[in-house]
Amino acid sequence: DGGITQSPKYLFRKEGQNVTLSCEQNLNHDAMYWYRQDPGQGLRLIYYSQIVNDFQKGDIAEGYSVSREKKESFPLTVTSAQKNPTAFYLCASSIGTGHTQYFGPGTRLTVL
Amino acid sequence: AQKVTQAQTEISVVEKEDVTLDCVYETRDTTYYLFWYKQPPSGELVFLIRRNSFDEQNEISGRYSWNFQKSTSSFNFTITASQVVDSAVYFCALSEGLRSGNTPLVFGKGTRLSVIA
Repeated sequence: DGGITQSPKYLFRKEGQNVTLSCEQNLNHDAMYWYRQDPGQGLRLIYYSQIVNDFQKGDIAEGYSVSREKKESFPLTVTSAQKNPTAFYLCASSIGTGHTQYFGPGTRLTVL
Repeated sequence: AQKVTQAQTEISVVEKEDVTLDCVYETRDTTYYLFWYKQPPSGELVFLIRRNSFDEQNEISGRYSWNFQKSTSSFNFTITASQVVDSAVYFCALSEGLRSGNTPLVFGKGTRLSVIA
């Protein structure tokens, strides 16, 4: 089945640790995105990538890093520089920016 | 700059009532795309509809309908004869077109709909 997978579903991190969230798609989409959602809030864009080996910062990139070495994969690293990382993280992909984005099931990150 | 406003934070209706979710957008581009997504309690966003700025035809899909009006910069979503399974958070989103670099989606803050049996 074609789709987007995110892992893990739940992630717990101690303060000061870096953690990496996985996002994989088999839809042959060029563009991929990471969003953060806080309780009762909308989605805020962290990073996006329109093509392999290229990515752009979104509205809240500080404390996060990404890589896009393969078309199918767009991992997000939450670094210790991110002061308030507890949130729900959603990954999405689309044929290109401006086109319909399809979302993965999300990863819920909690800092202990 | 692009912006999406969903003024209704939460709405509660009784099952079988009709309900309209409002969405107002701002953009300086003449080519843009509007979207609605549904987020059920599981958390995953489900795509509902995409419209481009040149197509103002209203659309109906089963119990769902969308009213796009450029004159008022609105793209409202109506659920007819609501059901408990419609309970979710609904997001409206906007993407600007080629002249603006095909921007990623900008989302409104969402409207939480509760349908009570």
